[in-house]
Amino acid sequence: ETGVTQSPTHLIKTRGQQVTLRCSSQSGHNTVSWYQQALGQGPQFIFQYYREEENGRGNFPPRFSGLQFPNYSSELNVNALELDDSALYLCASSLGGATDTQYFGPGTRLTVL
Amino acid sequence: AQRVTQPEKLLSVFKGAPVELKCNYSYSGSPELFWYVQYSRQRLQLLLRHISRESIKGFTADLNKGETSFHLKKPFAQEEDSAMYYCALSGAGAGSYQLTFGKGTKLSVIP
Repeated sequence: ETGVTQSPTHLIKTRGQQVTLRCSSQSGHNTVSWYQQALGQGPQFIFQYYREEENGRGNFPPRFSGLQFPNYSSELNVNALELDDSALYLCASSLGGATDTQYFGPGTRLTVL
Repeated sequence: AQRVTQPEKLLSVFKGAPVELKCNYSYSGSPELFWYVQYSRQRLQLLLRHISRESIKGFTADLNKGETSFHLKKPFAQEEDSAMYYCALSGAGAGSYQLTFGKGTKLSVIP
């Protein structure tokens, strides 16, 4: 059974740029959730995708957008990067129930200069 | 709005001593509560959830709806318990997809 993978591991961008982060779900999982974890904070929910449709969204502006593909992998896109977007971005996959256990990836560390 | 509070950023205990990591929550309905753990250089992983009512690695947690708490306990701490612990909440119905995390407590077990 393959676990959740994320790419890239880390990257550096400048303010105003756009970034795409990728996530591959654990085998058999059709739900993907994305979280932002700032330094010293707990993960904060961005949105969730279930079978290619957005299933819920946290308190993040529209410049945070996502996609889920037929193979259930997912992308997180962030436009017009701001310094405060610097964080660890976590992807978690689950079987599909709203409260099913979420399995986390290792994260992508984004630094915005 | 749902909120999770972990009052201690850091908790240091001696090996063999009891451990209690505090978690309080705010939610208007019937929540589901979780504890997640992150060991050094590892990914975030589920430790236990209240509906399972099981003990994992000697840890237990009881949901107290009257006090809106879900404290994590272990009678005898081990060095391998040193890690970052996060309490999380998921609501029922609308918002059930969303895990709300506390800021975490770093547990350090002193040999």
